Amino acid sequence: EAQVTQNPRYLITVTGKKLTVTCSQNMNHEYMSWYRQDPGLGLRQIYYSMNVEVTDKGDVPEGYKVSRKEKRNFPLILESPSPNQTSLYFCASSAQNPGQGNTEAFFGQGTRLTVV
Amino acid sequence: RKEVEQDPGPFNVPEGATVAFNCTYSNSASQSFFWYRQDCRKEPKLLMSVYSSGNEDGRFTAQLNRASQYISLLIRDSKLSDSATYLCVVNDWGDMRFGAGTRLTVKP
Repeated sequence: EAQVTQNPRYLITVTGKKLTVTCSQNMNHEYMSWYRQDPGLGLRQIYYSMNVEVTDKGDVPEGYKVSRKEKRNFPLILESPSPNQTSLYFCASSAQNPGQGNTEAFFGQGTRLTVV
Repeated sequence: RKEVEQDPGPFNVPEGATVAFNCTYSNSASQSFFWYRQDCRKEPKLLMSVYSSGNEDGRFTAQLNRASQYISLLIRDSKLSDSATYLCVVNDWGDMRFGAGTRLTVKP
């Protein structure tokens, strides 16, 4: 079954304690992206990746890091989480068709992060 | 960065109504377009792709106007189950750009 898997689904942590949210896709997609969603603000892009070892900042990258060492995995790292990073996080992936644009994006089920 | 703009709503309509959403995009070279549906605090899911000639899926019709750089979604005969947030998505130089979403509530 084609899917994007995020872990953990729920996480409560304390300020300053490094954490990683994992994202894995089994569709051999080139493109992967991380978003955060806060009430009234819609999906805001944190980082995205066009392929292995290629990452770029989105609209709200401050306080986050990513890596893309393998095509299937795109972890989101919070080196020193703060309460303003409390949010709902989504990972997504899609295939890239040269000259035709991306195919539909598939989303993970989301990670609810609370930083206290 | 290029932007995708949507009217945030909310749209409150009675059952059976027809409702339309628009979404504008700033990059004339954008390549592919989609409408997604998101239920409260769940992951967005594809509603339909948007093709250059326009396309229909049951009660839903999507259109693309490249000259004016907007896409639209028309929902006919609204159902209570259509209540959700609708997100437009524009593929912009390989990156997927999301609008902020339009909230729809269909009432009995």
